[in-house]
Amino acid sequence: KQEVTQIPAALSVPEGENLVLNCSFTDSAIYNLQWFRQDPGKGLTSLLLIQSSQREQTSGRLNASLDKSSGRSTLYIAASQPGDSATYLCAVDRDDKIIFGKGTRLHILP
Amino acid sequence: NAGVTQTPKFQVLKTGQSMTLQCAQDMNHEYMSWYRQDPGMGLRLIHYSVGAGITDQGEVPNGYNVSRSTTEDFPLRLLSAAPSQTSVYFCASSYFGSGEQFFGPGTRLTVL
Repeated sequence: KQEVTQIPAALSVPEGENLVLNCSFTDSAIYNLQWFRQDPGKGLTSLLLIQSSQREQTSGRLNASLDKSSGRSTLYIAASQPGDSATYLCAVDRDDKIIFGKGTRLHILP
Repeated sequence: NAGVTQTPKFQVLKTGQSMTLQCAQDMNHEYMSWYRQDPGMGLRLIHYSVGAGITDQGEVPNGYNVSRSTTEDFPLRLLSAAPSQTSVYFCASSYFGSGEQFFGPGTRLTVL
C-alpha cells in the first residue's frame, strides 16, 4: 500500500531564506508526483507536476525534484516571502489512485 | 472556463438524512475524483472515475455512492449521513494519463 510522508509537519523560517520541503513515498512505481499549496479554508492549488520520467520541474522561485528510486521528492522555495505561508502537500499517482501526504504547514516570519 | 465547481459550499445535516454533493468541470477531463479532508488525516480518496459510466472505490468509500453519467458531472451521494462524515469534501479532475489535478473550492459538511 502506497504511503506518503511529509516531514516536517510544520516549519517557521525568516523572510528571505531559502527552504526545502520533503516528501517520501513507499512505492516507487508511480506515474507522477504533484505539489500543491493550500491556504486556510481554501481549496488546493497545483504548483508543480513531475512526470515519472522527469527529474525536476521549475516555476518561478519554486523547484521540485523527484528521485523515484529512493522514493523522495523535494520542493525548494527560494527567497521566501510572507505570502508563501500556507500548507504544502505532495501527492503521488499510481493506477488511477492519487495518495496525498498530510502536508507541511509553512510560516514565513516577516 | 469555470474549472471545477462544487455546490453547496456549506451544508448542515442531521444524522440519517441524505444529500448529494455536486461537482462539475468544463475542461473535458476524463478523470474525476472525490476526497475528504480531516484534521490530522490529510486528504483521503473516496471514489474516482476514469470516464463516463466508470467508477471505482478509493481509500474510504463506505457510506458514499457515486455515478458518472456524463463527462462533466460527478455527484457524491450520502444515503444516510453520520457524524463521522463531518468533513470538508473536495472534487478534482484531470486529463487521463497522469495529468495535472485541478481542485474545486470544497464543500464543508457538518452532520449533527
